[in-house]
Amino acid sequence: GAVVSQHPSWVICKSGTSVKIECRSLDFQATTMFWYRQFPKQSLMLMATSNEGSKATYEQGVEKDKFLINHASLTLSTLTVTSAHPEDSSFYICSAAPDRERSPLHFGNGTRLTVT
Amino acid sequence: GEDVEQSLFLSVREGDSSVINCTYTDSSSTYLYWYKQEPGAGLQLLTYIFSNMDMKQDQRLTVLLNKKDKHLSLRIADTQTGDSAIYFCAESIYRGSTLGRLYFGRGTQLTVWP
Repeated sequence: GAVVSQHPSWVICKSGTSVKIECRSLDFQATTMFWYRQFPKQSLMLMATSNEGSKATYEQGVEKDKFLINHASLTLSTLTVTSAHPEDSSFYICSAAPDRERSPLHFGNGTRLTVT
Repeated sequence: GEDVEQSLFLSVREGDSSVINCTYTDSSSTYLYWYKQEPGAGLQLLTYIFSNMDMKQDQRLTVLLNKKDKHLSLRIADTQTGDSAIYFCAESIYRGSTLGRLYFGRGTQLTVWP
């Protein structure tokens, strides 16, 4: 089946530093990938839609300069949290679906970011 | 707008059946999904159903869809302790695109007692 790999699984960083999270589709190509954020005991909030070869589409309220998304190839999207602050601590999950029409979305295992 | 509602908690005894319910609001939903999330992990796609179907069965899982009432349910037969997790209902809406975005419920915490 379709596998989405996310790296790292967890990261602890100091306030003010930047952190990059990778999302890879292992056995399929994905023109579009999605980045979600999940707060404790809450549902998933869509942050942005990552499009291969073009700019990401951000949801309302999500700062594009803080959450930089690069979708450089059909199998890799990266999310960089720039100048991280403690309030950016969260669980970040990416998802992707094969480029076949209306394929279901598959999710990575998530990245737990803790900013100290 | 899109709104997906789920009850937050469900407790069952091992061996019993579990039924997790979900309601959604957008009648143009094309796919409806059930995802499972274990602590500290991402989401695992359990099953999904096309909106033109009434029922789908996959081993211990049965999905029922009532389009008229916009109600979706997931039944887990012979529930095991390993089924304890959060279950998310999600709908996707395709509007002129091959890939729709997902709208999630808040998740139902299923606890299975031995």
